[in-house]
Amino acid sequence: NAGVTQTPKFQVLKTGQSMTLQCAQDMNHNSMYWYRQDPGMGLRLIYYSASEGTTDKGEVPNGYNVSRLNKREFSLRLESAAPSQTSVYFCASRVAGAGNEQFFGPGTRLTVL
Amino acid sequence: GQQVMQIPQYQHVQEGEDFTTYCNSSTTLSNIQWYKQRPGGHPVFLIQLVKSGEVKKQKRLTFQFGEAKKNSSLHITATQTTDVGTYFCAGRNTVYNFNKFYFGSGTKLNVKP
Repeated sequence: NAGVTQTPKFQVLKTGQSMTLQCAQDMNHNSMYWYRQDPGMGLRLIYYSASEGTTDKGEVPNGYNVSRLNKREFSLRLESAAPSQTSVYFCASRVAGAGNEQFFGPGTRLTVL
Repeated sequence: GQQVMQIPQYQHVQEGEDFTTYCNSSTTLSNIQWYKQRPGGHPVFLIQLVKSGEVKKQKRLTFQFGEAKKNSSLHITATQTTDVGTYFCAGRNTVYNFNKFYFGSGTKLNVKP
């Protein structure tokens, strides 16, 4: 099993460009998450999907959209990138249920110039 | 909204010294999880605490959950260079939302050999 995979690993964008970060998991997990990690800020939840067909906002959803394409895949889209979105983005998944651990992907390092 | 504060932000220790990181929540938590992130890596689950006053041990790591379920700590005895990384707590209050986790800002541990 590959676990949680993310593409791309690195990306440089210019202000105003758009892009989609891809995430897939092969563990048959119900819930999937997108976090961003900035120095000194820990992990902040952008969006999550409790189950296939549902998505909800997290702490910092502005400037992002998500799609839960199917049970395996959960994508994050930046419609018009801004320098403030320079960050490391992590996707995570977990089995629905009381307190199950989150499995994280390797991350995408995004720089917006 | 719910917040999880974590201190200290950084800790530098000599190999063999002990290390402790603390998390405090503004609200009562249903459970708390701890993660470790090695430099350049992604967060990896360490443990989950659920019960008031719970204490769990993993070799040199001791995890505690406060009686009021609003604070938690991770203590490492006799640190080793392999302990280097950032340690995060992640709290959840299932009364408000079953799926959202609130991460602390992390404590970055550096161990000098």
